[in-house]
Amino acid sequence: AQSVTQLGSHVSVSEGALVLLRCNYSSSVPPYLFWYVQYPNQGLQLLLKYTSAATLVKGINGFEAEFKKSETSFHLTKPSAHMSDAAEYFCAVSYGGATNKLIFGTGTLLAVQP
Amino acid sequence: DAGVIQSPRHEVTEMGQEVTLRCKPISGHNSLFWYRQTMMRGLELLIYFNNNVPIDDSGMPEDRFSAKMPNASFSTLKIQPSEPRDSAVYFCASIAGTGTYEQYFGPGTRLTVT
Repeated sequence: AQSVTQLGSHVSVSEGALVLLRCNYSSSVPPYLFWYVQYPNQGLQLLLKYTSAATLVKGINGFEAEFKKSETSFHLTKPSAHMSDAAEYFCAVSYGGATNKLIFGTGTLLAVQP
Repeated sequence: DAGVIQSPRHEVTEMGQEVTLRCKPISGHNSLFWYRQTMMRGLELLIYFNNNVPIDDSGMPEDRFSAKMPNASFSTLKIQPSEPRDSAVYFCASIAGTGTYEQYFGPGTRLTVT
């Protein structure tokens, strides 16, 4: 079955430190990949997306992600964490075709320490 | 564009009562998704529509849940009768259509059943 795995349900970093949130997908079919962010008491907001163009994708708020087919990964990074980055982050995948469904990972809660 | 609109934002009801959640997708979007989010189960897809037609309702937990999309600009999710275990945040999301996969989420309805 197609799935998305996010390693680490909780990640804590210091302000100014590198943020690395991991996402792996399972499929031999090239997917469309997404990262969403959810701030407390809000809906999910699209951070960035990969749709088979450049493998390094830049998103909002200084985040970027790199699609690595050989590793079936799409990890999210940010060079320097801000306090405002504290939120829950969801990786999602779509395999296109007739369905527009997204398969979501279980989420990673990012805490940023002062 | 106003984005995806959901109402009410908060709903508190007693067990056994009927609850109706409403969603207005982004104008021009022709796919709509209903999700439920809880701490225990994360983000679950309940049902989705393409061009107002239900495509996959396999995520609907039981017959107490029903969803309709009478036109392209309105959808409802109804729970009758409601139970305490239905307490969750319910999100609606819409997508532009074939060839696009990023979903745009509403702010959610926080449902509490006492």
